[in-house]
Amino acid sequence: QKEVEQNSGPLSVPEGAIASLNCTYSDRVSQSFFWYRQYSGKSPELIMSIYSNGDKEDGRFTAQLNKASQYVSLLIRDSQPSDSATYLCAVKAAGNKLTFGGGTRVLVKP
Amino acid sequence: GAGVSQSPSNKVTEKGKDVELRCDPISGHTALYWYRQSLGQGLEFLIYFQGNSAPDKSGLPSDRFSAERTGGSVSTLTIQRTQQEDSAVYLCASSEQTGTGYTGYTFGSGTRLTVV
Repeated sequence: QKEVEQNSGPLSVPEGAIASLNCTYSDRVSQSFFWYRQYSGKSPELIMSIYSNGDKEDGRFTAQLNKASQYVSLLIRDSQPSDSATYLCAVKAAGNKLTFGGGTRVLVKP
Repeated sequence: GAGVSQSPSNKVTEKGKDVELRCDPISGHTALYWYRQSLGQGLEFLIYFQGNSAPDKSGLPSDRFSAERTGGSVSTLTIQRTQQEDSAVYLCASSEQTGTGYTGYTFGSGTRLTVV
């Protein structure tokens, strides 16, 4: 079992719809959770971080964390073609090292 | 600097040659990380440096890989006797540890290594 798992996609959503991305992790002591966006040929950029159970909203993005169920999700509201990218879930357990999932490719169709 | 700087941006080398990849982290960031990403794959952890502590080398795939960080700032990743399977994008990141927690990574733009 991979430490951080994501559906590879592609997740195809029409413009203006909500894109919902999920991530599960195996290490129960994980403390910090991050979502990165990676455009093709570019390096990952941090878009959201979440540390406690519940929802955290930032603009069109909402991160949701459920430590009991060991999952973290990302919602993208009013999806735009510019949101088309690969979204990487990253988890910090012990130490400062992040473990990344394989990423979910999102395609927003006009 | 304003961001994480990596050089070179592209490197083509012949199989069996040694290569050095450089990373200059954000000023003041105490932690520095190396990952690699093969085509269409996720990020694979290689090594990380935190302040003056011994580095976590648990991700280095073989003894051909080594890294050092001089003066708590610039880091060099060295790959000896390169093989074709070493071809990947090598990403460096840095982060700042605050009193209340931990910031996510800021990545450099990467070095694309091609071994021919």
